[in-house]
Amino acid sequence: ETGVTQSPTHLIKTRGQQVTLRCSSQSGHNTVSWYQQALGQGPQFIFQYYREEENGRGNFPPRFSGLQFPNYSSELNVNALELDDSALYLCASSSRDRGPFFRETQYFGPGTRLLVL
Amino acid sequence: TQLLEQSPQFLSIQEGENLTVYCNSSSVFSSLQWYRQEPGEGPVLLVTVVTGGEVKKLKRLTFQFGDARKDSSLHITAAQTGDTGLYLCAGAPGDAGNMLTFGGGTRLMVKP
Repeated sequence: ETGVTQSPTHLIKTRGQQVTLRCSSQSGHNTVSWYQQALGQGPQFIFQYYREEENGRGNFPPRFSGLQFPNYSSELNVNALELDDSALYLCASSSRDRGPFFRETQYFGPGTRLLVL
Repeated sequence: TQLLEQSPQFLSIQEGENLTVYCNSSSVFSSLQWYRQEPGEGPVLLVTVVTGGEVKKLKRLTFQFGDARKDSSLHITAAQTGDTGLYLCAGAPGDAGNMLTFGGGTRLMVKP
């Protein structure tokens, strides 16, 4: 069973640029969630995709957008980058169809560390 | 907005000591999870507690969910250097599946 993978591992961008981060979910999982973890803080929920549809969103502006593909991999896009967007971006996958959703374990990838200068 | 507050933020202890980490909220969660995160890696799930008052043990780690499902604690007995890491609690809201609200984390350093 392949775990959650993310690419790239590190990225440096300048203010105002756009970035795309990628996530491959664990085999058999149909739900992907994205989190932002600023340095020294806990992760914050950005949004979740289930079967290619956005299923829920945290308190992030519209310049944070995403996609989920038929193979359940996912992208996180951030437009008009700001300095405060510097963080570790985590992707987590789970399966929604096997019982009470809140019991479903999420498996996190290693993250993409984004630095905005 | 549901918030989870973890305490302490930092903890530095000697090997063999016991410690407790707390996770508190004014909101009710359908489940609460504890994760451990190493530098350069994503969080790894340690345990999920679902029922108010539930206690789960994982070797030297004991997890408790408060009766009202608003708070939780993690107790480590006889800490080892391998326990060093960032411990995160995360709550799943009742109506929002597993879109987790994380606490700020407790960074634990166990010295030999």
